[in-house]
Amino acid sequence: NAGVTQTPKFQVLKTGQSMTLQCAQDMNHEYMSWYRQDPGMGLRLIHYSVGAGITDQGEVPNGYNVSRSTTEDFPLRLLSAAPSQTSVYFCASSRQGHYDTQYFGPGTRLTVL
Amino acid sequence: DAKTTQPPSMDCAEGRAANLPCNHSTISGNEYVYWYRQIHSQGPQYIIHGLKNNETNEMASLIITEDRKSSTLILPHATLRDTAVYYCIVTRVSTSGTYKYIFGTGTRLKVLA
Repeated sequence: NAGVTQTPKFQVLKTGQSMTLQCAQDMNHEYMSWYRQDPGMGLRLIHYSVGAGITDQGEVPNGYNVSRSTTEDFPLRLLSAAPSQTSVYFCASSRQGHYDTQYFGPGTRLTVL
Repeated sequence: DAKTTQPPSMDCAEGRAANLPCNHSTISGNEYVYWYRQIHSQGPQYIIHGLKNNETNEMASLIITEDRKSSTLILPHATLRDTAVYYCIVTRVSTSGTYKYIFGTGTRLKVLA
């Protein structure tokens, strides 16, 4: 299993541009989530999904959209990038259940100029 | 959601036990305590979790106080590769069956040669 994969690893955008961060998992996990991590801070939950077709907001959802059309994929969309969205983005997945551990991807480092 | 409090940093001599404390005084009866760590800029890595009993696995031990208001992660023989930021997280399943992790800022553990 590849586990959780994220693309791209690095990305530079100009203010106002849009882009999609890709996340995929091959473990048939129902639960997937997106976090951002700013320098010197812990991870903050952006959006999460408990299964295909179901998404919900986390702590910091503004400026981001998500969809979950398949179990495997959970893309994160920035519609109009802002410098405040410069961060490292992590995707995670786990089986459904409150006792399950989360598996994190390697992260995408995004810079918005 | 219950909040957690951790010391910002700790040092530990190589080969000695590293004891990382976490306060979660507002924890509810159905909330689990999870520990993750993040090495450099990699994605967080699961270590261990528990509800009310002490737990041990190949990586670490988790000691939860009887009132569940605090816990301690123990790395029995710390190595240089254990240098990382350690996160204590409390999570629960909601009535709708969803759950989410709320990360704090963690403890930066430095293992000294």
